[in-house]
Formats: sequence, structure tokens, C-alpha cells
Amino acid sequence: SAVISQKPSRDICQRGTSLTIQCQVDSQVTMMFWYRQQPGQSLTLIATANQGSEATYESGFVIDKFPISRPNLTFSTLTVSNMSPEDSSIYLCSVQGQGMGYGYTFGSGTRLTVV
Amino acid sequence: GQQVMQIPQYQHVQEGEDFTTYCNSSTTLSNIQWYKQRPGGHPVFLIQLVKSGEVKKQKRLTFQFGEAKKNSSLHITATQTTDVGTYFCAGLSGGSYIPTFGRGTSLIVHP
Repeated sequence: SAVISQKPSRDICQRGTSLTIQCQVDSQVTMMFWYRQQPGQSLTLIATANQGSEATYESGFVIDKFPISRPNLTFSTLTVSNMSPEDSSIYLCSVQGQGMGYGYTFGSGTRLTVV
Repeated sequence: GQQVMQIPQYQHVQEGEDFTTYCNSSTTLSNIQWYKQRPGGHPVFLIQLVKSGEVKKQKRLTFQFGEAKKNSSLHITATQTTDVGTYFCAGLSGGSYIPTFGRGTSLIVHP
């Protein structure tokens, strides 16, 4: 299965600022997924990032707040813009497993605290 | 839209006791996946079930997919402290490639 390098692993940010999270995959993948996991909660899909096209956002998430870049088939970034304490969460990138029977592989996550 | 309900939310057990978590979907699923997230970690894929009534085993873990493909369970026999974590089910239906995650069951094992 793919290996994902995600950074930063954690950050504490001031409200009103922005943070960009990076994910690097060790193989080429068509789609990358960005999730948010609030403390003690399940995973909520923010958007799907395809190379060469705009990301597809889920209901409740907008591009102005969570701009995504996907410059090539192995890399993506998610920016959390104009942060507020409500944005404190774990952010995870993910890719679909290759072949039948393989699930999704997740990055190690970015633990964001907004103060 | 599709909803996946998972119970219980938390489960405390003594080491050596068994543990089961259940998932129910509002719609028929094409397949269901299970993930484990250790405290402070990220979700790690455990298994995928595709066929109606399918049962798969991984050592002390037994995964079942219901006959109607709307429910699933994960059973751990004789829990160990290494089993601690949150177990998520994730269902896929129709032609969607994006899973809907259950809320997860957090397993706490007391030595």
C-alpha cells in the first residue's frame, strides 16, 4: 500500500492566521482525500483533490476556507484559512488502496490547535 | 444521504474479555471496511468485506457482513492491552468510492 508523509504533525496557531498542510505520497494516485476529525469524533470528508482540476468539496466546506492544491499525482496541500478555535481538529489526507480488497491509507495527521 | 451508525460509542473491558462493535447502514452497502485508530494515531485499514454473509478472521478478530449487506460487526476474542483504540466501520454503496465512516467505538482494556 502507499506510504503518505504528512506535515506538520502538529501546530498551535493564532486565530485569524492560516496553516498549510502538506501530503506527499510515494506513488502516483489519481485522487487524494482530505478529512477532518474533531476530538473524539469520526472522520468527515472535506474534499477530494484531483490533479489538473479543482477540488470537489463536501457540503459544509468551501474553497475560500479550505483551499486545496494538487500540482501533481503525488502531492497535495490543504490550507485552513482565517482560523478560529472551532477549526481545532486533526486533519488527515488519504488515498485509496491499489487493487481489490485494499482500503484507504491515511497520513499520520496534523493536530491543529487554534488559540 | 447514507448514514452509518456504530455502537457502542465506548466499551470498557477487562483484559481477556471479549469485545464486539456493531455497524448499521441506512442503505444497502456494496462493501464495508474496518479501521483501527490507536490513541494519538491515524486510522489503519484492517479489512474489507464484500459478499453477503461474509465472515473473515484475523487472529483474534472476526469480521461479519450481514446477509442483507446493511450491517456488520467486529468481534475481538480475549482482548489484550494492544487492542486499545477506536474501531471504525466505513461503508460504501452504489458506485461511490468514498466511504461513509461510522462514529467509531473506543475500546478501553483494563489490565
